[in-house]
Amino acid sequence: GNSVTQMEGPVTLSEEAFLTINCTYTATGYPSLFWYVQYPGEGLQLLLKATKADDKGSNKGFEATYRKETTSFHLEKGSVQVSDSAVYFCALKSFTGRRALTFGSGTRLQVQP
Amino acid sequence: GAVVSQHPSWVICKSGTSVKIECRSLDFQATTMFWYRQFPKQSLMLMATSNEGSKATYEQGVEKDKFLINHASLTLSTLTVTSAHPEDSSFYICSARVGLAEGYEQYFGPGTRLTVT
Repeated sequence: GNSVTQMEGPVTLSEEAFLTINCTYTATGYPSLFWYVQYPGEGLQLLLKATKADDKGSNKGFEATYRKETTSFHLEKGSVQVSDSAVYFCALKSFTGRRALTFGSGTRLQVQP
Repeated sequence: GAVVSQHPSWVICKSGTSVKIECRSLDFQATTMFWYRQFPKQSLMLMATSNEGSKATYEQGVEKDKFLINHASLTLSTLTVTSAHPEDSSFYICSARVGLAEGYEQYFGPGTRLTVT
């Protein structure tokens, strides 16, 4: 079946530090890959996505590249801000079998001023 | 963007009672809504897929008689936890699907925290 594995948190960084949150997946076929962000007290919001191999999704300074050879979709940001503090979820959508999103366990990011 | 609301955002109930959680798409119609459950520090686990006008499709291991789902209109789906027990305490999140083709998006509600005492 489909699965997503994320690095455990929390990840604590100082403002302007470089961020990487690792995500690897297992899926049949060629899934689409997503990063969602959940700010305190709010619902999940789509941060970025990639629908095919070598695609790079980007938004708000965050980037992730769909690497089929390593089945990975790592999230990166060059310089984090306090406002980036949130929980980040990696997810995939496969077009075989269940069609709802499959999520990783989430990684909490805490950015300190 | 598309907005999904949930009500209530937080509920406490006594063991043995039933609780209804509403999920609404505020500015769009959703033929399909998903219900997820999230345990502390864990991932969202899909419970069921709710289709307007038809019976919900439950994931393996989810008791359909305990978690009743009704999708009576294109903007409202409800999840009723029947005869709740403390182990049902969790964070329940709904998501509405926009689009029919493979490129559909899911928009999420803010979640409902259920505590059963």
